[in-house]
Amino acid sequence: AQSVTQPDIHITVSEGASLELRCNYSYGATPYLFWYVQSPGQGLQLLLKYFSGDTLVQGIKGFEAEFKRSQSSFNLRKPSVHWSDAAEYFCAVGAGGFKTIFGAGTRLFVKA
Amino acid sequence: EAQVTQNPRYLITVTGKKLTVTCSQNMNHEYMSWYRQDPGLGLRQIYYSMNVEVTDKGDVPEGYKVSRKEKRNFPLILESPSPNQTSLYFCASSLSGTGNTGELFFGEGSRLTVL
Repeated sequence: AQSVTQPDIHITVSEGASLELRCNYSYGATPYLFWYVQSPGQGLQLLLKYFSGDTLVQGIKGFEAEFKRSQSSFNLRKPSVHWSDAAEYFCAVGAGGFKTIFGAGTRLFVKA
Repeated sequence: EAQVTQNPRYLITVTGKKLTVTCSQNMNHEYMSWYRQDPGLGLRQIYYSMNVEVTDKGDVPEGYKVSRKEKRNFPLILESPSPNQTSLYFCASSLSGTGNTGELFFGEGSRLTVL
């Protein structure tokens, strides 16, 4: 069955520290992969996406993600976290048949 | 400004009282979809629409109806709301005709409480 797993419900990092949010997917074919961010009281906004080609993709706000087919992973990274990055992050896979499947989300807390 | 607009943003209602959550997009997108967001479950798709008069069920369609009479509008109808439909609802649209490969543009959400 198609699924997306985000193992960490919440993560706390200090401002200026590096960040990695984990995402694993289960999908039979080549996946279309996305990371979205949801700020408090807001809808989701696309950070980046992977369709094909270079497995390291750059997104907005200084985020990047690496697609690793062998590990079925699409982890999100940022070298230096800012307080404004505190939000909930969702990994998603375009699963065919007009479906996009979302993970349960990881809430990021940033310590001053 | 390109946007997806949902109304109402907040609603408290009682069991059995029919309600409609409206969704409108101004980007001429073909694909529109409704999701509900519940803690620990992420977003789950309720219904989606590939174009005018073309809709289909998502993963959790029970208790919901939709219609797509115009390209820009995709209302979500709860004929007889129940407390288990208390949730945060999001409407999304996408330019991509397939819907699962294009970027989704989300509304700001509608928080519904059913007593």
